[in-house]
Amino acid sequence: GENVEQHPSTLSVQEGDSAVIKCTYSDSASNYFPWYKQELGKGPQLIIDIRSNVGEKKDQRIAVTLNKTAKHFSLHITETQPEDSAVYFCAASNLPSGTYKYIFGTGTRLKVLA
Amino acid sequence: GAVVSQHPSRVICKSGTSVKIECRSLDFQATTMFWYRQFPKKSLMLMATSNEGSKATYEQGVEKDKFLINHASLTLSTLTVTSAHPEDSSFYICSGGGQGNSYFGPGTRLLVL
Repeated sequence: GENVEQHPSTLSVQEGDSAVIKCTYSDSASNYFPWYKQELGKGPQLIIDIRSNVGEKKDQRIAVTLNKTAKHFSLHITETQPEDSAVYFCAASNLPSGTYKYIFGTGTRLKVLA
Repeated sequence: GAVVSQHPSRVICKSGTSVKIECRSLDFQATTMFWYRQFPKKSLMLMATSNEGSKATYEQGVEKDKFLINHASLTLSTLTVTSAHPEDSSFYICSGGGQGNSYFGPGTRLLVL
C-alpha cells in the first residue's frame, strides 16, 4: 500500500521568510496530492493540491511542486505570516472515479515567529 | 464549496458506554465516507472506508466490532465506539468523497473517563 513520509516534523521561520515542507510517496499509481492545514482542535482544511499531470501549481503565497520520477512533492509558503502557524499535512491518493482514499504524511508543525 | 459536518463536536463518556458520532455531507452526495483517528500531535490514521448501503472496509488493526460504521444514505455515515475505554479517547474525523474530491469534517473529540 501507499506510504507517505513528510519532513520536517517541526519548522520555525521568521515572519516574512519562506517555508518549505517536503513529502515522498511510495506508490507510483498515486496521482493526486493535496496539502492540508490543521489548526488546533479543528479538522484539516485543503489549501492547495496538485495532480500528476502537472509539475507545479501556485496560489498566491502558496505553491506546490511535484517530481513524479522521484516521487517527491513539496509545499512552499512565501512571505510567511503568524496566521500561517499550524500543522500541515501532505497526502497522496489514487483518484479514479469514485475513490477518494487519502494516505496522510506525518505532519509538520510550522511556527512563524513575529 | 462542499461542506461536511460532524456531531457532536465534543463528547465525554464513562468507560463501558457506547458513543455515536454522525458525519453528514450537507450540500453534496458522498458516495464514499472515510473515518480517521488522530492522536495528539500525530497524523490522521485511516480507520475505515464506507460506501452507502454496504459494509465498511476496515484498515488493518482496526476492530470492526469495536468501531461500528453505518453508511445509511449518501449524506450520512455514523461511527459508534462500543464499550468505550480510556484508550479510545481521540480526535475522530470523517471525510466525504464526492464531486471529484474528499471533504473533511471538523472532527469530534472523544474523552472516555
